Amino acid sequence: SQQGEEDPQALSIQEGENATMNCSYKTSINNLQWYRQNSGRGLVHLILIRSNEREKHSGRLRVTLDTSKKSSSLLITASRAADTASYFCATDARSYNTDKLIFGTGTRLQVFP
Amino acid sequence: DVKVTQSSRYLVKRTGEKVFLECVQDMDHENMFWYRQDPGLGLRLIYFSYDVKMKEKGDIPEGYSVSREKKERFSLILESASTNQTSMYLCASRKSSTDTQYFGPGTRLTVL
Repeated sequence: SQQGEEDPQALSIQEGENATMNCSYKTSINNLQWYRQNSGRGLVHLILIRSNEREKHSGRLRVTLDTSKKSSSLLITASRAADTASYFCATDARSYNTDKLIFGTGTRLQVFP
Repeated sequence: DVKVTQSSRYLVKRTGEKVFLECVQDMDHENMFWYRQDPGLGLRLIYFSYDVKMKEKGDIPEGYSVSREKKERFSLILESASTNQTSMYLCASRKSSTDTQYFGPGTRLTVL
């Protein structure tokens, strides 16, 4: 399977704490993206990191990428109850000569007020 | 802002019925995608389309077909719905020169 895997599958924290989610993948990539999904809704793009980048920031989000380990992490700092959602990593499959994105199975984040 | 809309949020159909799921995007995106999402399996690609009249099979095309007659509209068709097609269906679109996909709100389909 080409599918990515997120770790942990579920995470519960208090407001104000940091949340870290990890993603591992199997193929070489051009970029890795993180998406967020509120319960029963579509996915929303959060951030993209290219294979030649090691770290990227966007507001309270920090993404790292380690291509040697084929892994990425998403850090949400100073979490809020509104951050409660599922988070997915997605890798492009251009090494397989397609334009598909391959999504992981997601991390469910619960932030308690 | 990019807007991707799907024809229904919830749909209940009977086994053997023909089901049409419609997706419309308003940003002139060339690429459109249909996924299904099931617990523990993440998102799986059913079909995608690079442009009008073009279609490519994804990872799980069996039991599905698609139609892209106009650039803004991508339809997913279940020729004869079965209970194992009960799922959340998500449509997405993307400008061909970029990497980000924009998703619709999803259609939760139940086949009885």
